[in-house]
Amino acid sequence: NAGVTQTPKFQVLKTGQSMTLQCAQDMNHEYMSWYRQDPGMGLRLIHYSVGAGITDQGEVPNGYNVSRSTTEDFPLRLLSAAPSQTSVYFCASSYSGTGDGNTIYFGEGSWLTVV
Amino acid sequence: GDSVTQMEGPVTLSEEAFLTINCTYTATGYPSLFWYVQYPGEGLQLLLKATKADDKGSNKGFEATYRKETTSFHLEKGSVQVSDSAVYFCALNTGGFKTIFGAGTRLFVKA
Repeated sequence: NAGVTQTPKFQVLKTGQSMTLQCAQDMNHEYMSWYRQDPGMGLRLIHYSVGAGITDQGEVPNGYNVSRSTTEDFPLRLLSAAPSQTSVYFCASSYSGTGDGNTIYFGEGSWLTVV
Repeated sequence: GDSVTQMEGPVTLSEEAFLTINCTYTATGYPSLFWYVQYPGEGLQLLLKATKADDKGSNKGFEATYRKETTSFHLEKGSVQVSDSAVYFCALNTGGFKTIFGAGTRLFVKA
């Protein structure tokens, strides 16, 4: 079972470069989201989607774009990388109904360094 | 707004010691409560959950009871192992897409 797959696992960017973090899930989950994890700050929600074609901002959306053209895929784009975006990024998905108790399934993380 | 507060770490214990990680929450409605665990270099994974008051979630020797009267969901384990060293996150969901996470508590277990 693949679950949530995100790539790349590690990336170094120069300030001002753009890149896309890929995320795919094979569980037919409607809800998908991107978090960043920084030391001492836990997880912060960047963007989320409640279904194909529907996205919205989380707590820290500035500098990031998302799109959801299919149920399976939810890429995160860094438009012009800044050192403040150095972080670990997690893609996640969850079932839209209540039967699963809204359990979230996470990818393995993408370690991004902006120099 | 909804929020989760958990004890600051790191928590350092010797093997076979008793573990408690405190978690309290503020929420409107009746949230589901979760503990997620993050092992070094990995993503978060569900450890246990409880969906209504007085429910006890349990997994891998860990337990937590949903206490509505004290708005708490403390994580406990009777005898920790070195392999339990990880970061533990308390979280809540009041329905729908949004889950609120605590800041995480790092646990170190010494042999």
